Amino acid sequence: RKEVEQDPGPFNVPEGATVAFNCTYSNSASQSFFWYRQDCRKEPKLLMSVYSSGNEDGRFTAQLNRASQYISLLIRDSKLSDSATYLCVVNGPPDSNYQLIWGAGTKLIIKP
Amino acid sequence: SAVISQKPSRDICQRGTSLTIQCQVDSQVTMMFWYRQQPGQSLTLIATANQGSEATYESGFVIDKFPISRPNLTFSTLTVSNMSPEDSSIYLCSAPTPGGYGYTFGSGTRLTVV
Repeated sequence: RKEVEQDPGPFNVPEGATVAFNCTYSNSASQSFFWYRQDCRKEPKLLMSVYSSGNEDGRFTAQLNRASQYISLLIRDSKLSDSATYLCVVNGPPDSNYQLIWGAGTKLIIKP
Repeated sequence: SAVISQKPSRDICQRGTSLTIQCQVDSQVTMMFWYRQQPGQSLTLIATANQGSEATYESGFVIDKFPISRPNLTFSTLTVSNMSPEDSSIYLCSAPTPGGYGYTFGSGTRLTVV
């Protein structure tokens, strides 16, 4: 099992739709969770940290389910500019110095 | 958030040669990280660069192939030595974002070895 596993892509959705990504992680001791966005040929940029209580930033909502070891990202009213690859990131075990473990990413394509 | 300037942004190199990538951070950071990203794949950590001590390399990466310098708290270099076409990739440096939320990345170096 991969340490961090994401939905395979790409997701092709029409503009205005709601889209949800899921990500599962294997290390139950993980404490930090992030969603990053990476545009084509660009570096990853932090989209949201994911908190235990869940958090919302405009059209984006992130949730954490520790019992099932997954995090999710919901994008409402999707825009063309949301097209990108979304990367799930989890910190590793203590013996890895809590190294960040990156998912393979889910590519999102918003169509007009 | 921190700003990281990375250069070169891209290069095409002959096999057997070496390329040094530089990253300058606009604030002092204890740790800097070097990643490799193959096309269509996620990021793989090469090493962690600590100021004042040797870099810590991940499994599959060795100092002779990827020597790293960290002369101060705002600067680091990664050298890709004795390059082969398999080293063609995007190389990214990263540092913790001030405030403790996530990490900031340099803009990446797209390396092609011919």
